Amino acid sequence: ETGVTQSPTHLIKTRGQQVTLRCSSQSGHNTVSWYQQALGQGPQFIFQYYREEENGRGNFPPRFSGLQFPNYSSELNVNALELDDSALYLCASSKLGQGGPSGTEAFFGQGTRLTVV
Amino acid sequence: GIQVEQSPPDLILQEGANSTLRCNFSDSVNNLQWFHQNPWGQLINLFYIPSGTKQNGRLSATTVATERYSLLYISSSQTTDSGVYFCAVTQAAGNKLTFGGGTRVLVKP
Repeated sequence: ETGVTQSPTHLIKTRGQQVTLRCSSQSGHNTVSWYQQALGQGPQFIFQYYREEENGRGNFPPRFSGLQFPNYSSELNVNALELDDSALYLCASSKLGQGGPSGTEAFFGQGTRLTVV
Repeated sequence: GIQVEQSPPDLILQEGANSTLRCNFSDSVNNLQWFHQNPWGQLINLFYIPSGTKQNGRLSATTVATERYSLLYISSSQTTDSGVYFCAVTQAAGNKLTFGGGTRVLVKP
């Protein structure tokens, strides 16, 4: 059973640029969620993808967007990077049932540390 | 939205000591997880515990959903237990995790 993997592990971008982060979900999981963790704080929910559609979004602007692919992997795209976007970005995968969202255990990747200069 | 509060925010322990971390939440939940964040940032699953008590080695957890709190017990602490411990909850509407602010634990040899 493969775990959740994220790439790249570290990234440095310039303000105004665009970035794409990638996540491969754990084997057997169909849902991917993305979180942003600023230094010294708990992770904050960005959005979730289930069946290739956005299934909930946190308080993040539209320049944060995502995709989920048929193999359940996912991308997080951030446009027009700002200095405050510097953070650890975490991806979590889980398995939601046919009946829709319900409580299931989430597993996290190792994260991508993004620095915007 | 739901509020999750963890206490204490910081904890310094001597190796071998026992400790209790607390997580309070402001509304009913259908899932609660405890994580340990290692120095490289990865969140390691400790417990998936929407209710009841579970034990895994020197760690155990109890969630009393009706009273809206969960406790994580660390016994005979080791230096490798250092790091940040997070609790996170989901509500019935979906699988979005809402995290507490974490408890930063330092175990001294």
